[in-house]
Amino acid sequence: AQKITQTQPGMFVQEKEAVTLDCTYDTSDPSYGLFWYKQPSSGEMIFLIYQGSYDQQNATEGRYSLNFQKARKSANLVISASQLGDSAMYFCAMREGGSGGSNYKLTFGKGTLLTVNP
Amino acid sequence: GAVVSQHPSRVICKSGTSVKIECRSLDFQATTMFWYRQFPKQSLMLMATSNEGSKATYEQGVEKDKFLINHASLTLSTLTVTSAHPEDSSFYICSARDPLGVYEQYFGPGTRLTVT
Repeated sequence: AQKITQTQPGMFVQEKEAVTLDCTYDTSDPSYGLFWYKQPSSGEMIFLIYQGSYDQQNATEGRYSLNFQKARKSANLVISASQLGDSAMYFCAMREGGSGGSNYKLTFGKGTLLTVNP
Repeated sequence: GAVVSQHPSRVICKSGTSVKIECRSLDFQATTMFWYRQFPKQSLMLMATSNEGSKATYEQGVEKDKFLINHASLTLSTLTVTSAHPEDSSFYICSARDPLGVYEQYFGPGTRLTVT
């Protein structure tokens, strides 16, 4: 079974509108971390936002917020007020085990290609 | 913020030759570094985890004799693709763990390898 599932291969959004990118995960570990990365065509991986499994509140970083629904095992990324520069590939990733542990491996989803239209 | 560099950014080599890719943490000491491989329009697949001063731990299905990883210092890890073949052409990305950092892993800009 896939540990990270991103069901939207591609998404389109109009500039200045909000968009939600879906991510569901599968783990039996009670302690884990969820990450979202942006990968523009240049290839670099840009960290966007992090949510810990024990965090009580949804994470926010500027225009990015993470809609964390633990019971549903979903961690959707919401981008508000989309900009043309947001056009890129977006990956959801999970680290199983606590942040203080020795395993920092990330498992990535297949990604969602976001296109922002002017 | 923490910076990770990779060198070279692009490399073209002939089939049968070996190529070395360097990953450096520029402003922090990385006890753990990771090597990923990414095929076009696909996700990142973890190849191996390297810890300074010890042997790398390879993921299942990754040939350790083909992809040699050395983490000789706290700021440098190298990936050597030995006897490269066209199917090894890919985008290789490293990341480094900063124990004192916020984001857990910092990624390098990647190396595009083309084997002709």
